[in-house]
Amino acid sequence: EIVLTQSPGTLSLSPGERATLSCRASQSVSSLAWYQQKPGQAPRLLIHGASSRATVIPDRFSGSGSGTDFTLTISRLEPEDFAVYYCQQYGSSPKFSFGQGTKLEIK
Amino acid sequence: QVQLQQSGPGLVKPSQTLSLTCVISGDSVSSNSVAWNWIRQSPSRGLEWLGRTYYRSKWLNDYAVSVKSRMTVNPDTSKNQFSLQLNSVTPEDTAVYFCARGWSGGFDIWGQGTMVTVSS
Repeated sequence: EIVLTQSPGTLSLSPGERATLSCRASQSVSSLAWYQQKPGQAPRLLIHGASSRATVIPDRFSGSGSGTDFTLTISRLEPEDFAVYYCQQYGSSPKFSFGQGTKLEIK
Repeated sequence: QVQLQQSGPGLVKPSQTLSLTCVISGDSVSSNSVAWNWIRQSPSRGLEWLGRTYYRSKWLNDYAVSVKSRMTVNPDTSKNQFSLQLNSVTPEDTAVYFCARGWSGGFDIWGQGTMVTVSS
């Protein structure tokens, strides 16, 4: 069973700073996505295929990585970017699984 | 644009069946390029994919191992919707339940979420 581990658990930064979030898989994964979730809302797809931005996602969001190590980078934080971020893998047992999340909070 | 609208009760008694429905607008439950999923979220279990239905010349289903024995996802082509039935619920099934459209890249459209509490 593939387990996704995200780090850090909480990231405290200021608007305008750069955020780097990590997702590590216990085994190599074939497909990885990133989501943003705000309180009371459903997750929103940001990145698919490890590095492709979803529709209408600003270009300050970028994804990279392959195999077992993946990164979500937000180049310059805007006030609306403070939220919880999840990675998600597709394809291996379990068929879909999510990381435990990284909370990005205002410093 | 594609939208998903969920409906169903927010309170279910232990040992009973949890039933939710997700109505699709702007797409078809019979699409052969996407799948229709149920995902739940709780503080103890995080985001957990539960199961899906999809059409590829015939109807297919996949379920998470954790719920496979007591879960059913069914399409309803006449109403362009799909449903979740989870039998023999316990308090551990208390969660926010989401329906979502999925493809090989991820889950791109989500319902609004339904908070379901299992309690007598």
